Formats: sequence, C-alpha cells, structure tokens
Amino acid sequence: DAGVTQSPTHLIKTRGQQVTLRCSPKSGHDTVSWYQQALGQGPQFIFQYYEEEERQRGNFPDRFSGHQFPNYSSELNVNALLLGDSALYLCASSLADEGQSSYNEQFFGPGTRLTVL
Amino acid sequence: AQKVTQAQTEISVVEKEDVTLDCVYETRDTTYYLFWYKQPPSGELVFLIRRNSFDEQNEISGRYSWNFQKSTSSFNFTITASQVVDSAVYFCALSEARITTGGGNKLTFGTGTQLKVEL
Repeated sequence: DAGVTQSPTHLIKTRGQQVTLRCSPKSGHDTVSWYQQALGQGPQFIFQYYEEEERQRGNFPDRFSGHQFPNYSSELNVNALLLGDSALYLCASSLADEGQSSYNEQFFGPGTRLTVL
Repeated sequence: AQKVTQAQTEISVVEKEDVTLDCVYETRDTTYYLFWYKQPPSGELVFLIRRNSFDEQNEISGRYSWNFQKSTSSFNFTITASQVVDSAVYFCALSEARITTGGGNKLTFGTGTQLKVEL
C-alpha cells in the first residue's frame, strides 16, 4: 500500500514564475492538506481540499491556489513566485472526519523542496 | 487563535542519556488534540502520538513517554536511553475539534526542537 507521494522532489524556479506541485494521497484517503515549511520553522497550514473543494485555508495570499481531482489527488499552484516562497511543501492525506469529536490521522508525504532564485 | 511553543531550539545529548522535549500550547477550545511528530533529515514527518484534551493519562511506548498536563498547558515528550537514531527534529502540534463534518482538522505546529544524539 503506497503512502502519500509527491512530485517533483526538488524544483528550482526564478522570481515571478509559476509552479505546480502534485500530491497523491494514501490509498483510501479523501482529504488532502498542504503545508509550507520554511527552513528552521514548523510546517504552516496552507489549505485543505475535500470533495474537490477548498474547505479550510490558512493565512496565505491568493497567489497560492489548489485543486483536487476526482481521484482525490491534488495540486498546489503558486503564482508570481517570491524568494520567500522557498520552502519544503508538504502534502498530508487523511480520511474525512466522521463528526465533530473525531479525528483521523494525517499521513505526510516526503515533500517537494522548492527553491526560488 | 492557537499557538504551540517549543522553547528548546536544539538539544545535544550523549547516547543513553534521557532527554525531555518541552511543548506548551495555547487554545481557547475545550476539545482539542495534541501531537508529536518526528522529522528525520529525509524531511518526511513521522507521526508519534496523538492525545485528546479529555485524556490526561501519561503514555509510554517503548523508550518514548509523554506527559500531558492541562493545568500548565504542556505536553512534554521524554526519550529514555537515547540512541543516535533518535537524532531528528521533533514537532509538537495542536488541532482543534472540527465545527462541521467532512474534511479534516488543520494542524498548528511549533517551531521544532532539533535533537542531536552523539556517541
């Protein structure tokens, strides 16, 4: 059973360019969350997709957008790249919570390291 | 707003020493979840433990143990008889209980503690 996979592993872009990162969730999972981890920092929540819709969003500008496909895989798009967007981008998948008091564990992928020059 | 503080940026120990990683959290919710994750140099976050806010029992798993104290808003992690393979960055995280069904909870992470275990 494959876990969460992300592509590409590494990416180098220049300022102003656009980038697309991809994530395939763990088998059976229907919810995908994206996190940005700058060097020396903890991951920060970008947004979450469920049923092909953005369900929650962290404090990130509109330059960050995403998509979820019918097979539950997801893309993260970042437009007009800035130097500060250089980070490890982590994807996490989970099964949708059943109710208010439940929690389903998030499984993280290996990440995509984005370098903006 | 939720916040997780890991005041220890880096800890260095000699193998076989015990080490405790501190975590202090802030939340206005009465129902929430606390986590510890390990991040080795490969970058992938490895889940270690989850506790909910109603379960203050301490937990032991092999050389790992966790001390959850709501009175001090702390969720500390102790590694007994540390090993070189324990060297990694450890993150404490917090998640509130969801208001609506569907999707999942977002995690709020601390800044991490780099643990170096030397021979």
